[in-house]
Amino acid sequence: QSALTQPASVSGSPGQSITISCTGTNSDIGGYNYVSWYQQHPGQAPKLMIYEVNNRPSGVSNRFSGSKSGNTASLTISGLQAEDEADYYCTSYTSITTPYVFGTGTKVTVL
Amino acid sequence: EVQVVESGGGLVKPGGSLRLSCAASGFTLSDYSMNWVRQAPGKGLEWVSSISPSSSYIYYADSVKGRFTISRDNAKNSLYLQMNSLRAEDTAVYYCAREPYAGQIAPYAFDIWGQGTMVTVSS
Repeated sequence: QSALTQPASVSGSPGQSITISCTGTNSDIGGYNYVSWYQQHPGQAPKLMIYEVNNRPSGVSNRFSGSKSGNTASLTISGLQAEDEADYYCTSYTSITTPYVFGTGTKVTVL
Repeated sequence: EVQVVESGGGLVKPGGSLRLSCAASGFTLSDYSMNWVRQAPGKGLEWVSSISPSSSYIYYADSVKGRFTISRDNAKNSLYLQMNSLRAEDTAVYYCAREPYAGQIAPYAFDIWGQGTMVTVSS
């Protein structure tokens, strides 16, 4: 199972909006609405930010939103803040033999 | 507080074995599937293995199949990963992650993560 494809880096200025893409196949993103996104600051564990494509867990800022079109999912961060600088990973439910695949990861830099 | 805490990491020689543990608290382990996810130094996240609430369904990444064994003891609120025939490429931080299922909040996602335990495979 190949990893989902994400851009290596995305940057933006404070207050701007950025979007991170996550591209898969019909067997993962395109086949299921179980796409989730994780934020990871250096030296810390990942944190769930979005589940089921566009749902936010309790406590996650509404500046984070998710969407999906075909085989590509996206995470949008609006009103970019310094604390948003981190690595972001997507994942999708996939075939029953290997149920999950992660994205390659995107480093978000706040300029 | 809902949390999971990993332990058991360390330095092991190639070909050696190690057993990781994950202690759950603040929730009923038997209500959730559980997973191991790893991250090699400076690299991205890699899903390793998954086990259903009653251990009926178990899955492994191709990279560890036949070498790693996931198990759980719901009575002890614990998850395990037995790692045999370790290779240098298994060097990583290993995270334990909770996975809600359909009907729960955040199904098929990893909603609770531990801080991880480092495994180093080197001679």
